[in-house]
Amino acid sequence: NAGVTQTPKFQVLKTGQSMTLQCAQDMNHEYMSWYRQDPGMGLRLIHYSVGAGITDQGEVPNGYNVSRSTTEDFPLRLLSAAPSQTSVYFCASSYEGLNNYGYTFGSGTRLTVV
Amino acid sequence: GDSVTQMEGPVTLSEEAFLTINCTYTATGYPSLFWYVQYPGEGLQLLLKATKADDKGSNKGFEATYRKETTSFHLEKGSVQVSDSAVYFCALSKYGNKLVFGAGTILRVKS
Repeated sequence: NAGVTQTPKFQVLKTGQSMTLQCAQDMNHEYMSWYRQDPGMGLRLIHYSVGAGITDQGEVPNGYNVSRSTTEDFPLRLLSAAPSQTSVYFCASSYEGLNNYGYTFGSGTRLTVV
Repeated sequence: GDSVTQMEGPVTLSEEAFLTINCTYTATGYPSLFWYVQYPGEGLQLLLKATKADDKGSNKGFEATYRKETTSFHLEKGSVQVSDSAVYFCALSKYGNKLVFGAGTILRVKS
């Protein structure tokens, strides 16, 4: 049981480049989300999905795009990278309503935009 | 909007010391409250949770009580170990699965 798998673990981009951060879970969780972690700011919600074909914006969605074609996968796309998007990105999944297990988090992707 | 405020760190303690990390929240209605822990280089793990007023969450020697009258959910442990060194996040959830996190508190335990 792999849990939540994020790739890549590290990435350096040049300003203006695009890329996709991958996230996959094998727990049949309905709910998936993307957070970014910045020093002194905790984790902020970028986008989330309550099931295949359904996505919605979180607190800081600008510059990011998502889709959910399957239950297992929830990729995050950076359309035109900017230095302000330098951060650590976490994907998380859960059953509906968080139950007693809360979220399962991936190990993160550390992105640097130069 | 909803928010979570945690005490600033880093918190540095000697092994076997008593730990308190303060957490207060602002939210309408009746949120569920959580503590997550992040060990170096890893993602977050759920440490404990409480879903209604006066509930006490506990796990691995850590405890927190949901105090609606003071809008607080302070994390405590009676005797910390070096292995408890990590970043601790307080969070709330009110609707569905969306979590609102505090800024995190770094805990360093010295042997």
